[in-house]
Amino acid sequence: GESVGLHLPTLSVQEGDNSIINCAYSNSASDYFIWYKQESGKGPQFIIDIRSNMDKRQGQRVTVLLNKTVKHLSLQIAATQPGDSAVYFCAEDPGAGTALIFGKGTTLSVSS
Amino acid sequence: GAGVSQSPRYKVAKRGQDVALRCDPISGHVSLFWYQQALGQGPEFLTYFQNEAQLDKSGLPSDRFFAERPEGSVSTLKIQRTQQEDSAVYLCASSLKLGADQPQHFGDGTRLSIL
Repeated sequence: GESVGLHLPTLSVQEGDNSIINCAYSNSASDYFIWYKQESGKGPQFIIDIRSNMDKRQGQRVTVLLNKTVKHLSLQIAATQPGDSAVYFCAEDPGAGTALIFGKGTTLSVSS
Repeated sequence: GAGVSQSPRYKVAKRGQDVALRCDPISGHVSLFWYQQALGQGPEFLTYFQNEAQLDKSGLPSDRFFAERPEGSVSTLKIQRTQQEDSAVYLCASSLKLGADQPQHFGDGTRLSIL
């Protein structure tokens, strides 16, 4: 069978490394997914989104991968910087742009 | 550019008091959402509006929670007879319109502490 990346509550990397953050979502009917970054004392900040008819989408230094078969999302951050340190959440939209369902967050710590 | 604005940023109240939290969405955004975020957890949905209509309030924890958006812009979340378990960060988000492919943009929240 296909392996699924484990969700880790914390991830520590060195500056310049690539980071991969994994997320499992719950609803097979979800057709839109968003990654958010949340810094301490701030609200979630939009990073990148992807629709269910895609399996990959790239932004600036970030890539989101979607595997609908196993209901799994990942966020890849290239050349991680200290400013990337934050909690990262994936969120799924079960339909019609209503309430988002947030996954468990991953705290990314980047050391220089 | 102006994002979602929430006030106050911090609110301390005694158990049993009523509180009101305000959200100014991004100008022109039709949809407005309220979420509750407990420490160390992801946001959890409370309610949402399309313009002035409250379309879903299934996430409100009790009838002590009430939200309104009378003119389809600013929204207020009111909590009556506050309890200690109401202590959390209350986040407001808005999106351009209801529908897929519309990311929700969040404010920085109101941190509510009930003594």
